[in-house]
Parts: sequence; structure tokens; C-alpha cells
Amino acid sequence: NAGVTQTPKFQVLKTGQSMTLQCAQDMNHEYMSWYRQDPGMGLRLIHYSVGAGITDQGEVPNGYNVSRSTTEDFPLRLLSAAPSQTSVYFCASSYSDSGWDGYTFGSGTRLTVV
Amino acid sequence: EDQVTQSPEALRLQEGESSSLNCSYTVSGLRGLFWYRQDPGKGPEFLFTLYSAGEEKEKERLKATLTKKESFLHITAPKPEDSATYLCAVQGLGYKLSFGAGTTVTVRA
Repeated sequence: NAGVTQTPKFQVLKTGQSMTLQCAQDMNHEYMSWYRQDPGMGLRLIHYSVGAGITDQGEVPNGYNVSRSTTEDFPLRLLSAAPSQTSVYFCASSYSDSGWDGYTFGSGTRLTVV
Repeated sequence: EDQVTQSPEALRLQEGESSSLNCSYTVSGLRGLFWYRQDPGKGPEFLFTLYSAGEEKEKERLKATLTKKESFLHITAPKPEDSATYLCAVQGLGYKLSFGAGTTVTVRA
């Protein structure tokens, strides 16, 4: 049981490049979400999904795209990377969108945009 | 807009020295308040969910309490392995979580 797996762990991009951060979970969780974590700030929600085929925007969605074609996978796409997107990105999942039984987080992707 | 403020930002403790972390919040209709632990280079790890004022939950040396405006995480007789950043989050009517910036706890042997 791997939990939530994120790849890559580290990435350096040039301004304007695009890339996809991968997230996969093997717990059959319906709810998945992406957060970014910046120094001195709390985790901020980028996008979330309550099930396959359903996605919605969070607090800071601009510059990011998501899709959910399967229950297991929830990739995050950076369309045209900007230095402001330098951050640590976390994927999280839970059995339901209430999260009352706790979200399971991946170990994160540290992204630097130069 | 839901807001969460955690204090202090950092806390240095001697092993065995009990202390408390504060999480103050404003939310439109609290559905749940959550505590997570985060180790360096790792994702947050779920600790507790509190639903209503007066509720308390315990796990080993940690005890979380909730009032209508704040929550406390009490660490009793901490050990070095309790060193981590502790995150507080609230969930309002919209189901989305709003996180605080966290309190980094360092416990010296």
C-alpha cells in the first residue's frame, strides 16, 4: 500500500516551459486535491476533484490545469511556468471531500522556476 | 473568507517541558478543525479532527482542544521525536480547508 505517490520529487524549469506533476493514489479515494506551500504561508488549494471526471478550482488556480480520468490519478499541469510558481507542491487524497478522517498527503514536489 | 492564525511561529522546548500551541480561526460555519504534523521534506500527516467547542482528542503526548474561536495543541513532556511543524486547518461551509502557516517545534534532549 503506497498511499499517495508524487513524481518528480525535484524539478527545475525555465520560465515559459510547461510540465506535468504526477499524483497517484492506491487507496480508492474519491477526493483528490493539489496544494502549494510557500514559506510563511499556509497550504493553499490549487485544484480539487471529488471523483473521476469532476474537477474544480481552489484558491489559487491561475496558471494550472488538472484532469481526472481515473480514480487513481490526478496530474497537475503547469501551462507556462513563471518564477511565482516556485514552490513545494503537495497532492492529497481522502475517502470523502469532507476530509474528516484526514487527508493523506504525498511527499511533495519541490519546483524551482528560473 | 476563512482565516487561520497560528502562534507562536517557532517554539523551542527542553525535553520534558510541556507547552501549548495556539490556532485562532474565523470561519463561516465550522464543520471541522484539523491538526496535522509535518516533518522536514515530507507531506503533512493527519493527527486530529475536532468538530465542536468543548471537544478534546488525545494521541500519545498530544492533546487538542477546541473553543468557538481557537484551538490548542498541548504537548505534554515532549521528546525530541516530537520536533516537527504542526499545522492547523479549518473547514467551513464550503468543505475546503484553510491552513495556518504552522508552528515549528524543536525539542532539545
